[in-house]
Amino acid sequence: SQQGEEDPQALSIQEGENATMNCSYKTSINNLQWYRQNSGRGLVHLILIRSNEREKHSGRLRVTLDTSKKSSSLLITASRAADTASYFCATDASYNTDKLIFGTGTRLQVFP
Amino acid sequence: EAGVAQSPRYKIIEKRQSVAFWCNPISGHATLYWYQQILGQGPKLLIQFQNNGVVDDSQLPKDRFSAERLKGVDSTLKIQPAKLEDSAVYLCASSLDDRLAGALSTEQFFGPGTRLTVL
Repeated sequence: SQQGEEDPQALSIQEGENATMNCSYKTSINNLQWYRQNSGRGLVHLILIRSNEREKHSGRLRVTLDTSKKSSSLLITASRAADTASYFCATDASYNTDKLIFGTGTRLQVFP
Repeated sequence: EAGVAQSPRYKIIEKRQSVAFWCNPISGHATLYWYQQILGQGPKLLIQFQNNGVVDDSQLPKDRFSAERLKGVDSTLKIQPAKLEDSAVYLCASSLDDRLAGALSTEQFFGPGTRLTVL
């Protein structure tokens, strides 16, 4: 079963614009991670936010987490064509196995 | 640092045939994962190893899928016999188990995957 549901399923923007993707999940979590997947580099870890954190930044990435609403958002600022990829949220709800449950993904297309 | 290696990259077989995938994790990574990713979906965990022991195989279809990690390093995933619905990308990932250091979870590093087509 897939815990996370990303929204929107697909997003198309122009270079320089910001892209926002949302993730909703069902159960309590230890942490939430965002991954990017493209044909060139496969699945790559972007950022991890723990359940006691509300916001985290990494370069052009900003992640928020609202555990009361069981949701997270990923913001990519000043997007580039190279950001074109599918983005997945993954939740870790286990206390002893680091098991990740991935969402359905958002396909982002950035046009030059 | 070398990444997670997988082979083959592509495999086409007929239903009811057998197939095996190989994974070599990043050196020193104790935890190894096998995921199945069907087109248009996110990866789904099939099995997780800690060294050579199974931590979680709750979503592994054990009537046809098997996996082993005999020496706690390389791993193989086998499907016997394959069905049409097994067509997917099979991803291997590894992580550095630092729960001893108190970390709650660690980043997973993924290999390029094996794209399996069952005809």
